[in-house]
Amino acid sequence: DSGVTQTPKHLITATGQRVTLRCSPRSGDLSVYWYQQSLDQGLQFLIQYYNGEERAKGNILERFSAQQFPDLHSELNLSSLELGDSALYFCASSEGDRGGLNEQFFGPGTRLTVL
Amino acid sequence: AQKITQTQPGMFVQEKEAVTLDCTYDTSDPSYGLFWYKQPSSGEMIFLIYQGSYDQQNATEGRYSLNFQKARKSANLVISASQLGDSAMYFCAMREWNSGYALNFGKGTSLLVTP
Repeated sequence: DSGVTQTPKHLITATGQRVTLRCSPRSGDLSVYWYQQSLDQGLQFLIQYYNGEERAKGNILERFSAQQFPDLHSELNLSSLELGDSALYFCASSEGDRGGLNEQFFGPGTRLTVL
Repeated sequence: AQKITQTQPGMFVQEKEAVTLDCTYDTSDPSYGLFWYKQPSSGEMIFLIYQGSYDQQNATEGRYSLNFQKARKSANLVISASQLGDSAMYFCAMREWNSGYALNFGKGTSLLVTP
């Protein structure tokens, strides 16, 4: 158990809908990262937050947005869903934002299926 | 351009044997870190081992060791005394200190340990 929690574990929805994925980082970790794992794209970095502020952006679509709240949990919002958004979405957390090892601990993931 | 290349889509190894999973990387950043993660069929991402670009010695963690050849830009994972529970996907990832905070992942290698 990495200490990172993600809810829900599974999500099935229809095209055009909007969903929210939730992540709670390990106790004491200030950084949260979101990754998408799909069969065709592999594991891709979406976005990072550090202590409530957006710190880095990767291949995140405009239909997707995220935020980190004062209690450090984070939410990833996916809207106007398409079939191609079906994937495993991981949240990871680390202590700091870039220096040193800063090992990222991954949550169990949310499997999103868009029908 | 692909920053992390894992050329072995699938590997077989017999129980108790050692196996090497290949990883080459591409960066011009002198400061970077290399990570290996294991993803069993259950889906979670498990951190295995880390090597920093300035580390003089190859990293080791239990049965895992990293064969770091900086000049060749390779960071191969060696698993000694393979166990059935080692069957999983293995991902090599890189973090470049000066150009981002997130991990760039390779496509992964699927390892099957046979009795």
